[in-house]
Amino acid sequence: DAGVIQSPRHEVTEMGQEVTLRCKPISGHNSLFWYRQTMMRGLELLIYFNNNVPIDDSGMPEDRFSAKMPNASFSTLKIQPSEPRDSAVYFCASSLNPLSTDTQYFGPGTRLTVL
Amino acid sequence: SQQGEEDPQALSIQEGENATMNCSYKTSINNLQWYRQNSGRGLVHLILIRSNEREKHSGRLRVTLDTSKKSSSLLITASRAADTASYFCATDKTGAQKLVFGQGTRLTINP
Repeated sequence: DAGVIQSPRHEVTEMGQEVTLRCKPISGHNSLFWYRQTMMRGLELLIYFNNNVPIDDSGMPEDRFSAKMPNASFSTLKIQPSEPRDSAVYFCASSLNPLSTDTQYFGPGTRLTVL
Repeated sequence: SQQGEEDPQALSIQEGENATMNCSYKTSINNLQWYRQNSGRGLVHLILIRSNEREKHSGRLRVTLDTSKKSSSLLITASRAADTASYFCATDKTGAQKLVFGQGTRLTINP
């Protein structure tokens, strides 16, 4: 298996622009997680899905952030409008079992820079 | 507040030495996991220890869990340069379905 796939790997944009990050989880995995990592705040869970349904979005910082999972093999995290403080590395992870905190498999991340 | 916190924040040792990292947490857990992150990469799962287990081994890794003290340790024996990375513990709260990661220990192995 190719593992969790994220695109793009790097994104540089200007403040106010819309940013869309993409994730393809491991085939057969039922849970998908979006994290944000910064030096100041560490690794933060933004939102997670079980069987394509959003379960907990309490970590989404503001209404500017939204996430979707239209099917089992694709998810997006959108920031609109983007701000410099959104600069971070965004990770997507997937796990097999939605009923417990199973091992999570992380993608390589998207490094976002908002100027 | 964070569920898991690692100690020390940074550790630098010579190749061949053992490295020990600690993790403390606040509430009851189902399991505790350790992950490694190489610079510029995603996290990689190392080992999972359940709340009813006290020790677990995987290759050069040894993890202990003391639920009475709400703490865990990760021991890497005979360290190698390739072990240079950040190490994170992740805990779940009983009844919750998500992991909370600590800030990590940055381990440097000097040749």
